Amino acid sequence: DTEVTQTPKHLVMGMTNKKSLKCEQHMGHRAMYWYKQKAKKPPELMFVYSYEKLSINESVPSRFSPECPNSSLLNLHLHALQPEDSALYLCASSQVMGGENTDTQYFGPGTRLTVL
Amino acid sequence: AQSVTQLDSQVPVFEEAPVELRCNYSSSVSVYLFWYVQYPNQGLQLLLKYLSGSTLVKSINGFEAEFNKSQTSFHLRKPSVHISDTAEYFCAVSGGSNYKLTFGKGTLLTVNP
Repeated sequence: DTEVTQTPKHLVMGMTNKKSLKCEQHMGHRAMYWYKQKAKKPPELMFVYSYEKLSINESVPSRFSPECPNSSLLNLHLHALQPEDSALYLCASSQVMGGENTDTQYFGPGTRLTVL
Repeated sequence: AQSVTQLDSQVPVFEEAPVELRCNYSSSVSVYLFWYVQYPNQGLQLLLKYLSGSTLVKSINGFEAEFNKSQTSFHLRKPSVHISDTAEYFCAVSGGSNYKLTFGKGTLLTVNP
């Protein structure tokens, strides 16, 4: 099973709202990722968690706050977003972060976020 | 640093025709190569990957790609496409101590009847 699930599928929020995106995997993977994808563009890496610890923050604004409560779950908390943050947010996981035979990342279906 | 170049942003073909989506990469270390497919309004699905061993890798739905180290290429081919193959295809590279997947800009494959 190589499934990564994400909820919700769609989210519309105002600039003053607080919302959260959720990602879950049950493959025993210890690395989890958040990507942002704008239309007609490749995904852009935002955060990487390795063994439930934040390993990489690609200079993401603080209005995006990741959280990894356990090895299967990854959240992205959203607060005071801007309209330009509207995008598809993708979660991915891999066995570990980096290394032969473990670099394969499996992606979820994404959350389509619209900020009004 | 690694980079990926997908030479064609759009490839229109007719159903049952062969197709090749081109991907070239640049890296100073040994690489792992991937093709991901994204159907309209969906996430990315892993289509196939090269990690080591045989340079020709195949997917379950008829696509194949060949790792060519001398030409630093990983082109994706299918001998006969279906309308359902219409999607965006991303080539990606990772390797060494680099945790990152570096994506190409994507190729939109449109299969027409």
